[in-house]
Amino acid sequence: NAGVMQNPRHLVRRRGQEARLRCSPMKGHSHVYWYRQLPEEGLKFMVYLQKENIIDESGMPKERFSAEFPKEGPSILRIQQVVRGDSAAYFCASSDSVEKLFFGSGTQLSVL
Amino acid sequence: TQLLEQSPQFLSIQEGENLTVYCNSSSVFSSLQWYRQEPGEGPVLLVTVVTGGEVKKLKRLTFQFGDARKDSSLHITAAQPGDTGLYLCAGRGGSGGYQKVTFGIGTKLQVIP
Repeated sequence: NAGVMQNPRHLVRRRGQEARLRCSPMKGHSHVYWYRQLPEEGLKFMVYLQKENIIDESGMPKERFSAEFPKEGPSILRIQQVVRGDSAAYFCASSDSVEKLFFGSGTQLSVL
Repeated sequence: TQLLEQSPQFLSIQEGENLTVYCNSSSVFSSLQWYRQEPGEGPVLLVTVVTGGEVKKLKRLTFQFGDARKDSSLHITAAQPGDTGLYLCAGRGGSGGYQKVTFGIGTKLQVIP
């Protein structure tokens, strides 16, 4: 039973480029969460999605960031026109209920 | 906004020592979870506590949920180098049908052989 799969593990982008982070939830899970983590900081909630719906995006910056979880395929976190401050580890978690979150290994985004 | 404060933020101890880390909030949570995260990996769930005053044991780890469901502690007995990692508490709460999970900043534990 494969766990939550995130790719790429490492992503390097130059300022102004787009970053696309992918998350395949565990089989049977219909809830996906995205978190951002900076060194010496905790996990900051970004967005919570269920299939084809955004449930809570209160942690997402209003500009440049978007997320989707289509009926088929992985969840995508998209960051347009990246800036150096976007450099961070981005974690995806999935669940089949409201109690237990299973995390992926994260994508480390570096913006040059 | 529900905030969780964890203390200490950093802890370095010798193998075999005991330690306790804390997770505090002014908010009431319906449940509280503890995760451990190792470098380069995502957090892994250790335990969920639901009832005020609840105590759960996981081998050498003892978790307690405060009576008022606002705080929690994690006690490790006879720490081992394998316990090294970032320990995160996460509270679930909120009104309506959706309960948000909020993470604390974490306690970075180093156990020296």
